[in-house]
Amino acid sequence: GAVVSQHPSWVICKSGTSVKIECRSLDFQATTMFWYRQFPKQSLMLMATSNEGSKATYEQGVEKDKFLINHASLTLSTLTVTSAHPEDSSFYICSARTSGNPFVPYEQYFGPGTRLTVT
Amino acid sequence: SQQGEEDPQALSIQEGENATMNCSYKTSINNLQWYRQNSGRGLVHLILIRSNEREKHSGRLRVTLDTSKKSSSLLITASRAADTASYFCATSSNYQLIWGAGTKLIIKP
Repeated sequence: GAVVSQHPSWVICKSGTSVKIECRSLDFQATTMFWYRQFPKQSLMLMATSNEGSKATYEQGVEKDKFLINHASLTLSTLTVTSAHPEDSSFYICSARTSGNPFVPYEQYFGPGTRLTVT
Repeated sequence: SQQGEEDPQALSIQEGENATMNCSYKTSINNLQWYRQNSGRGLVHLILIRSNEREKHSGRLRVTLDTSKKSSSLLITASRAADTASYFCATSSNYQLIWGAGTKLIIKP
């Protein structure tokens, strides 16, 4: 099946620094990628929808200036947590959706996640 | 996005028994996927079933899909301690992603 990778798997950073997380679709092109955040023992919370070549659409309550999303190519989207604080510590998961084809339904695959700890 | 519902929220069984988890959703879908997540780890893709399929097998996993009832079930046969994890269903239609809150499965040795 399709594979989505994330890098890094985990990162520890100091408060006030910025952290970039990469999401790659390894064997398919993804015009749309999604970024999620998962709090302990809870389900995934959608943060934003990213379409290749255009600005991301953020969900209500998600600060677009704090969580910068770039989707510059059909296989790569990045999430940058700017000026990170301890409350940003979380598990960040991306997913990628296969490109549109009128004859084939979309399929969506999740990455393994990135654990961010801000000290 | 609408959230699917999974039941039970938590399930504890003895090793060797079968575990069944259910997922219900509200809109029409293209496919439904099941994922496993071990505590503190990432999601692991288990199985994808398309809307025109009714049943799919993968090893000890059996997934059924009833589009008329908008529900799916995941059966894990001969459970093992290593199956202890949270299990999520995720459904996708053309414009929406829908997922469940997850079922926490505990296998007692």
